Amino acid sequence: GAVVSQHPSWVICKSGTSVKIECRSLDFQATTMFWYRQFPKQSLMLMATSNEGSKATYEQGVEKDKFLINHASLTLSTLTVTSAHPEDSSFYICSARDGGGAKNIQYFGAGTRLSVL
Amino acid sequence: AQTVTQSQPEMSVQEAETVTLSCTYDTSESDYYLFWYKQPPSRQMILVIRQEAYKQQNATENRFSVNFQKAAKSFSLKISDSQLGDAAMYFCAYRRAFSSGSARQLTFGSGTQLTVLP
Repeated sequence: GAVVSQHPSWVICKSGTSVKIECRSLDFQATTMFWYRQFPKQSLMLMATSNEGSKATYEQGVEKDKFLINHASLTLSTLTVTSAHPEDSSFYICSARDGGGAKNIQYFGAGTRLSVL
Repeated sequence: AQTVTQSQPEMSVQEAETVTLSCTYDTSESDYYLFWYKQPPSRQMILVIRQEAYKQQNATENRFSVNFQKAAKSFSLKISDSQLGDAAMYFCAYRRAFSSGSARQLTFGSGTQLTVLP
């Protein structure tokens, strides 16, 4: 299947700093990418949908100024957690939709564990 | 709004045996997709199987098969000949067809933690 690369896999940062997470589709073009947050032993919670070349659509309750999303190309979307605080510690997962593929499937990155001290 | 319900938080199965994970969903749409994803301890989400609502035939992928009951809005996953590597959290997911933008999102169930006993 298609590959989605997410980097870094784990990041530790101090409170108040910003962290950038990258999500790349390696062998397909992704006009739409999704960012999820997952707490331990819970389901994935959609944070935002990013479309190449346009502003991201955020889910209700997600602060767009805190979680900045940029989808500058058909293969790259970034999530920047600005002024991170301990409550932002979580597992963040991106996925990319293979819109060109016949099966219209979403493929997931391996996730990023964010720990804010 | 669409909702996906997985009523079994945890399940266990003996190695080589068969187990069925339940999933029900609620939608007013007639055309949509249903998925089962697996999330092992590595936390990498892996697509297990996919079903298109307009297809009556149940999807199968090797040891994995589904029982899709459209009228009942039920989409269960059967794992045959269970292996130790099948141990994972399994998520049922729904997606509308012919949608755009954020409507292409997946709606996930709460997950079922599957333990495979040797």
